[in-house]
Amino acid sequence: DQQVKQNSPSLSVQEGRISILNCDYTNSMFDYFLWYKKYPAEGPTFLISISSIKDKNEDGRFTVFLNKSAKHLSLHIVPSQPGDSAVYFCAARWGGNTDKLIFGTGTRLQVFP
Amino acid sequence: IAGITQAPTSQILAAGRRMTLRCTQDMRHNAMYWYRQDLGLGLRLIHYSNTAGTTGKGEVPDGYSVSRANTDDFPLTLASAVPSQTSVYFCASSDSGYNEQFFGPGTRLTVL
Repeated sequence: DQQVKQNSPSLSVQEGRISILNCDYTNSMFDYFLWYKKYPAEGPTFLISISSIKDKNEDGRFTVFLNKSAKHLSLHIVPSQPGDSAVYFCAARWGGNTDKLIFGTGTRLQVFP
Repeated sequence: IAGITQAPTSQILAAGRRMTLRCTQDMRHNAMYWYRQDLGLGLRLIHYSNTAGTTGKGEVPDGYSVSRANTDDFPLTLASAVPSQTSVYFCASSDSGYNEQFFGPGTRLTVL
């Protein structure tokens, strides 16, 4: 049973436009959410995160929104750049004293000129 | 060394053989993790260690074992490899109390 879901396996966006990547989760015990970016033949790298007590976190071109009632989070990239082309994973942390993360299946973003 | 290193980069292995994937970090992080990445399944946690001397099972631990003799090293062993263990394996680490995990470059393993 997939507790963290990324229902869009791929997304294609024109350079300069907004990219919106979505993530849904089922477990209300998750208290922290992260987005990772992964290039081919490299390990995932941390991008941005949000605590469950917030509904928005912004870092430069990247903004993460959290809707707890809908158990939904999204990553907005504005403006999108060709270098943003990668696979994006959302991840959720169990509440409490654990650092374990549950990852989604990933969305491949392609930004074209 | 800076960050996390994994070895080997890739390996082709005959079914039934024993294999150890190595992972070393130089950040003095308490926690370390092993994931496998499979198409359509994302990253799944195999085993983890909250601190040296302790280990725990993740989502998909069967067929794998780990040890954590010291802070820096966290090897993953496949005692008798099977084709379903063909995957890309990532090691990660994090500092206790912080949520961000740092990942190594991965090991691509093919079991024939």
